[in-house]
Amino acid sequence: EVQLVESGGGLVQPGGSLRLSCAASGISVSTNYMSWVRQAPGKGLEWVSVIYDDGTAYYADSVKGRFTISRDTSKNTLHLQMSSLRADDTAVYSCARPHSAAYHYAFDIWGQGTMVTVSS
Amino acid sequence: QTVVTQEPSFSVSPGGTVTLTCGLSSGSVSTRYYPSWYQQTPGQAPRTLIYSTNTRFSGVPDRFSGSILGNKAALTITGARADDESDYYCVLYMGSGLWVFGGGTKLTVL
Repeated sequence: EVQLVESGGGLVQPGGSLRLSCAASGISVSTNYMSWVRQAPGKGLEWVSVIYDDGTAYYADSVKGRFTISRDTSKNTLHLQMSSLRADDTAVYSCARPHSAAYHYAFDIWGQGTMVTVSS
Repeated sequence: QTVVTQEPSFSVSPGGTVTLTCGLSSGSVSTRYYPSWYQQTPGQAPRTLIYSTNTRFSGVPDRFSGSILGNKAALTITGARADDESDYYCVLYMGSGLWVFGGGTKLTVL
């Protein structure tokens, strides 16, 4: 069964850091595009970042310079290192696979998400 | 700054037909942006409905269809049912590793 399971969320103070993880099963994080999408409470979905199979990473302007996406191929896990966190980073963070080939960049697999709250 | 626009809310009667749209704040949506559509109910992960403008994802009933209408992408739901009441999101792939979601449409079936 294909599954993405996020972890690492929690409460962090403004200016702090947090690292999220997304454990994949049934797919390889190293041979797929993998992405992070977030959803603030009561708000819509927002694309955050992607890492391509060749390791190239891209970021939304709202997180550029503060967030870093990476992967651990030995553990088949995707990460999102978040720093200089702000209150408007408060959201449920989900990992998802944008399938470039079969589904023309649509997201076909989603995790359930992990909640990040930035507050003092 | 690319902004993808969707109607904030829409209502449809049971059995009726509704078309939700997905536009760009500047410019037109075309197939080159590979528009895709997702359905989300509260507390749940999004469900993929349509990819590449008009192709239904596996298991999605043919009541859901995608198209380009004028300068926007569109999601049409026919024979609306109570369990279609959800939030619907479009997303455009802008190229160069950038995806942009629309703000979502809250669909009410009543």
